[in-house]
Amino acid sequence: DSGVTQTPKHLITATGQRVTLRCSPRSGDLSVYWYQQSLDQGLQFLIQYYNGEERAKGNILERFSAQQFPDLHSELNLSSLELGDSALYFCASSTSLGWDEQYFGPGTRLTVT
Amino acid sequence: GENVEQHPSTLSVQEGDSAVIKCTYSDSASNYFPWYKQELGKGPQLIIDIRSNVGEKKDQRIAVTLNKTAKHFSLHITETQPEDSAVYFCAAVYTGGFKTIFGAGTRLFVKA
Repeated sequence: DSGVTQTPKHLITATGQRVTLRCSPRSGDLSVYWYQQSLDQGLQFLIQYYNGEERAKGNILERFSAQQFPDLHSELNLSSLELGDSALYFCASSTSLGWDEQYFGPGTRLTVT
Repeated sequence: GENVEQHPSTLSVQEGDSAVIKCTYSDSASNYFPWYKQELGKGPQLIIDIRSNVGEKKDQRIAVTLNKTAKHFSLHITETQPEDSAVYFCAAVYTGGFKTIFGAGTRLFVKA
């Protein structure tokens, strides 16, 4: 158990809908990262927050947005969903801005039908 | 843009043999290189990492080497065991924006 929690574990929704994925980092970690892992593909970095502020952005679509709240939990919002958005979404946390180990949660499997 | 290439995509070895996975990164400004292992149905987990001021690091059966000039780093697993079977990802952290760029992954099969 990494100490990072993600909810929900599974999510099935229809095209055009909007969903919110939630992540609680390890106690004491200030950085939260979001990644997308499509079938048989690697981890695509989406976005990073550090202590409530956005610090790095990857290839995140404009339909996707995220935020980190004062209690350090984070939410990833995916809107106008398309079939191609079906993937595993991982949240990870670390103590620093990126120079140390990232602890990954169990992931949320999103299926868009 | 930043890119990390990882080879091979699949690797099959006999138990007890060594396995080597290689990665090449594009941004010379990156200076932190972690390796993650992902087992089926789980999130990735760090197995070893190396920073740019170090050329080699070893932890029991696992070692990582870094060649900054060639922008190349490798993972070496010796005396492989069936439980080493998993997907392995290399990554590079870029100083320019703290992005963590992962390689495409190597699926390692260790045959008993």
